[in-house]
Amino acid sequence: DADVTQTPRNRITKTGKRIMLECSQTKGHDRMYWYRQDPGLGLRLIYYSFDVKDINKGEISDGYSVSRQAQAKFSLSLESAIPNQTALYFCATSDGGRNIQYFGAGTRLSVL
Amino acid sequence: GESVGLHLPTLSVQEGDNSIINCAYSNSASDYFIWYKQESGKGPQFIIDIRSNMDKRQGQRVTVLLNKTVKHLSLQIAATQPGDSAVYFCAEPPSTGTASKLTFGTGTRLQVTL
Repeated sequence: DADVTQTPRNRITKTGKRIMLECSQTKGHDRMYWYRQDPGLGLRLIYYSFDVKDINKGEISDGYSVSRQAQAKFSLSLESAIPNQTALYFCATSDGGRNIQYFGAGTRLSVL
Repeated sequence: GESVGLHLPTLSVQEGDNSIINCAYSNSASDYFIWYKQESGKGPQFIIDIRSNMDKRQGQRVTVLLNKTVKHLSLQIAATQPGDSAVYFCAEPPSTGTASKLTFGTGTRLQVTL
């Protein structure tokens, strides 16, 4: 969905490096989410934020941190990347109503 | 190419036939379900949703059926087209926490043959 923009689309990095994935949205939604996707495991929630002052851990937050810089911006950081963080990462947004989440196109991250 | 879904169950359907994709859920208290479609190289896209007070909901060429007795959802696609080739996920709210968090199934890959 072009209303949810993720940068970069692809990134290759080395073990131990700090990486930041960025997400911005023009949908005007308060709620934003970060997921990772691995083959056979579906989408797993890393962190979520219901407004600028609200940050919550998801099911797999270890090794990750987030920053909600503004209503429209939610970034995900890997402080010291490790190979098992190689995955597809998706940002999503939703309003407070029907819980429908709208996803960005994803960032493919490879940690060597 | 897209590496997501290498180990997913796959449904092969001939163009023009109907497709049925199934999903079992675990939380008997879930009151809302969503189906997503994920094409290669893209993020998941919303298809259709259904609340637990309904057994059936229809959209354009898609129908979702909900059987609360056996905790089962199905997504039916009529007259399947090549553009329907994708991975399909069902999602439900978790048993605890806010309803805005969703738990996603692992997905089913739909392959449309000509």
